[in-house]
Amino acid sequence: RKEVEQDPGPFNVPEGATVAFNCTYSNSASQSFFWYRQDCRKEPKLLMSVYSSGNEDGRFTAQLNRASQYISLLIRDSKLSDSATYLCVVILSPYSGAGSYQLTFGKGTKLSVIP
Amino acid sequence: DAGITQSPRYKITETGRQVTLMCHQTWSHSYMFWYRQDLGHGLRLIYYSAAADITDKGEVPDGYVVSRSKTENFPLTLESATRSQTSVYFCASGIGSYEQYFGPGTRLTVT
Repeated sequence: RKEVEQDPGPFNVPEGATVAFNCTYSNSASQSFFWYRQDCRKEPKLLMSVYSSGNEDGRFTAQLNRASQYISLLIRDSKLSDSATYLCVVILSPYSGAGSYQLTFGKGTKLSVIP
Repeated sequence: DAGITQSPRYKITETGRQVTLMCHQTWSHSYMFWYRQDLGHGLRLIYYSAAADITDKGEVPDGYVVSRSKTENFPLTLESATRSQTSVYFCASGIGSYEQYFGPGTRLTVT
């Protein structure tokens, strides 16, 4: 099983739809989780952190399910501007000294919102 | 308010040449990172730095060298470029080792 897996998509959804992506991770000791978005040929941009209790930012909701080892991102009322690739990031261990830092980016899920 | 910048934005070089990619951040973030992004692999960590004069290897460090003499700069050097190092290189910075803010990237082609 790969460390971090995402469905590459593409997810093609109409404007106004609700869409959800999952990201599974293999190491149960993973500590921190994030979602980034990346527009075509641009840099990744931090979208939101993912907490055990879940967190919401406007139309976006992120959830963590430690028992099943996945994180999710829900986008409500999709806009054309939401079209992008969504990357999950799993930090196995934050920095605590030489050689300690481990993180993995998923390969991303592509979302296309259609008019 | 430039944030984090990378230079050059595009670079074409020949196999065997030394190439240095520059990264500069104005936030005084302690942590800085270098990634490469290739189709089919996603983003992979090359090197990271927790502070000035502290650097460490990431997942794919072979063929690369970094230094960090000043907090704001984190150059990445390809000592002898190979075709397999053709990629998009992203620099990132962060207050901690968690949330990261990326530069615009450098597209490097090795011929």
